[in-house]
Amino acid sequence: NAGVTQTPKFQVLKTGQSMTLQCAQDMNHEYMSWYRQDPGMGLRLIHYSVGAGITDQGEVPNGYNVSRSTTEDFPLRLLSAAPSQTSVYFCASSYGAGPNQPQHFGDGTRLSIL
Amino acid sequence: AQSVTQPDIHITVSEGASLELRCNYSYGATPYLFWYVQSPGQGLQLLLKYFSGDTLVQGIKGFEAEFKRSQSSFNLRKPSVHWSDAAEYFCAVAPMDSNYQLIWGAGTKLIIKP
Repeated sequence: NAGVTQTPKFQVLKTGQSMTLQCAQDMNHEYMSWYRQDPGMGLRLIHYSVGAGITDQGEVPNGYNVSRSTTEDFPLRLLSAAPSQTSVYFCASSYGAGPNQPQHFGDGTRLSIL
Repeated sequence: AQSVTQPDIHITVSEGASLELRCNYSYGATPYLFWYVQSPGQGLQLLLKYFSGDTLVQGIKGFEAEFKRSQSSFNLRKPSVHWSDAAEYFCAVAPMDSNYQLIWGAGTKLIIKP
């Protein structure tokens, strides 16, 4: 069971570079989301999707883009990386958006922006 | 503003000792409540959740949590910790008026002394 797969696990970027963090799930989950985790803070929601073709902003969407062309994939794009985007990024998925649907998390992508 | 507070950044307990991790939330109505665990280098795993009913909920790995409405608390407990419990623990709430988006505490890192 692959679950939620995030790639890459580690990445170092220079300021201004762009990149895409990949997230794929094989559980046929409708709801997917991206969080960032920073020291001393809880996870903060960046973007989420309730199904293919539907995305919406979370708490901290600036500087990030997402798309959901398939149920399985939910990539997160950094358009022009900034040092403030240095963080650990987690992708999560669940059957639905309701609280009774437990979220399944990937192992994270550790991103450093120089 | 809605918030989740985990007052202890680190907690150190001896193996075999009991454990209590604190979580308080700030919200007018009773939200949905969750505890997640994050082992080093991994994503988050749901330990337990509270929606309604019995205020003492049982979770996986021998954990339990008690919801106390009067104290706006949802503390996590375990009678006897094992070295494998060393991890970071996150409390999260899903207010009913926020489309069930999770609001996360900053986490408590549990260190186990041999």
